[in-house]
Amino acid sequence: GAVVSQHPSRVICKSGTSVKIECRSLDFQATTMFWYRQFPKQSLMLMATSNEGSKATYEQGVEKDKFLINHASLTLSTLTVTSAHPEDSSFYICSATSREQFFGPGTRLTVL
Amino acid sequence: GENVEQHPSTLSVQEGDSAVIKCTYSDSASNYFPWYKQELGKRPQLIIDIRSNVGEKKDQRIAVTLNKTAKHFSLHITETQPEDSAVYFCAASIGGGSYIPTFGRGTSLIVHP
Repeated sequence: GAVVSQHPSRVICKSGTSVKIECRSLDFQATTMFWYRQFPKQSLMLMATSNEGSKATYEQGVEKDKFLINHASLTLSTLTVTSAHPEDSSFYICSATSREQFFGPGTRLTVL
Repeated sequence: GENVEQHPSTLSVQEGDSAVIKCTYSDSASNYFPWYKQELGKRPQLIIDIRSNVGEKKDQRIAVTLNKTAKHFSLHITETQPEDSAVYFCAASIGGGSYIPTFGRGTSLIVHP
């Protein structure tokens, strides 16, 4: 099946810094990618839909200035958590669609 | 928007028993229903899906049934094995278009050897 990669897999940062997470579709082009956040023992919460060449569509309650999304090409979307705080600590997962939805391996963000 | 309810939240079975997880959805326009298995700290993996033009689909020990009239669908796992232990998520979406799935809250399946 199609492969979606995500980098980094883990990141620990200090409060107030910004963190960039990359999501790549390795063997297919994805005009749309999705960013999810997952808390321990909870479901996937859709944060935003990343559209190649246009602005991302954010879900209600998700701060677009806090979570910056850039879909620079058909194979790359980035999520930047700006001025990160401990409450931003979570598991962030991206996905891309090619006949079905393929998930990246996730990024564990820990903000100290 | 779409609302997906999933039950139970936790399911504990003995190895060899069957496990059933049920989901309901609210948007009658939804026509694509995938099921994902997520092991601890890993990505969700698609295990089976069903589209609204069929009522049942089977793949070895896994089967999914869909009742469009009642707007519910279920995952059935037979002859469970310890390696089936994971969190399972159902989802509903309108396939072929923007495809934005709505996920259920997940079911933690524990298979005791």
